[in-house]
Amino acid sequence: EDQVTQSPEALRLQEGESSSLNCSYTVSGLRGLFWYRQDPGKGPEFLFTLYSAGEEKEKERLKATLTKKESFLHITAPKPEDSATYLCAVQPYGGATNKLIFGTGTLLAVQP
Amino acid sequence: NAGVTQTPKFRVLKTGQSMTLLCAQDMNHEYMYWYRQDPGMGLRLIHYSVGEGTTAKGEVPDGYNVSRLKKQNFLLGLESAAPSQTSVYFCASRSQETQYFGPGTRLLVL
Repeated sequence: EDQVTQSPEALRLQEGESSSLNCSYTVSGLRGLFWYRQDPGKGPEFLFTLYSAGEEKEKERLKATLTKKESFLHITAPKPEDSATYLCAVQPYGGATNKLIFGTGTLLAVQP
Repeated sequence: NAGVTQTPKFRVLKTGQSMTLLCAQDMNHEYMYWYRQDPGMGLRLIHYSVGEGTTAKGEVPDGYNVSRLKKQNFLLGLESAAPSQTSVYFCASRSQETQYFGPGTRLLVL
């Protein structure tokens, strides 16, 4: 069964304290892995798509990496405005519907 | 472009009442999706559409119906609301491989 597990469930950092969020997945075949940011009361906001092991993508203080079993979202020198829930989703091969399987997210709080 | 919009933003229903949630997108996307988000669970797909006039069931379709009469609109209906349908509902549309989400509708069924 296709599955996505994110850890930790919650993470509290001091401003400037770098860390990583983990997304482990089991899928019959990976078509793509997606990272989203979700602020309270809002819809998920697209961050990155990764397609193959070894691929990396960066945006400001965020860097996403991908292996055959997991993805990491590295946050370098975070600021309070980086506080949000970060969602990981995988798209398995098969079908033409672009179905996504989501993890439950990591709630990140960055304190000044 | 407004992107993906959803109406209403919040609604309270009594058990057995019906309602329709509207999703609209102005990006000319073919694929559209309805998800629900519950505490401790990932986003789960309810129904989706691969184009105007088409709909298909997702992971949790029971108790919901959908229609896609126009390309830009995707409607989600609850014929007889139940407390188990209390949730936050998100609509998304797809461009190439990426889904873009609306702001959500918070539904409380009493």
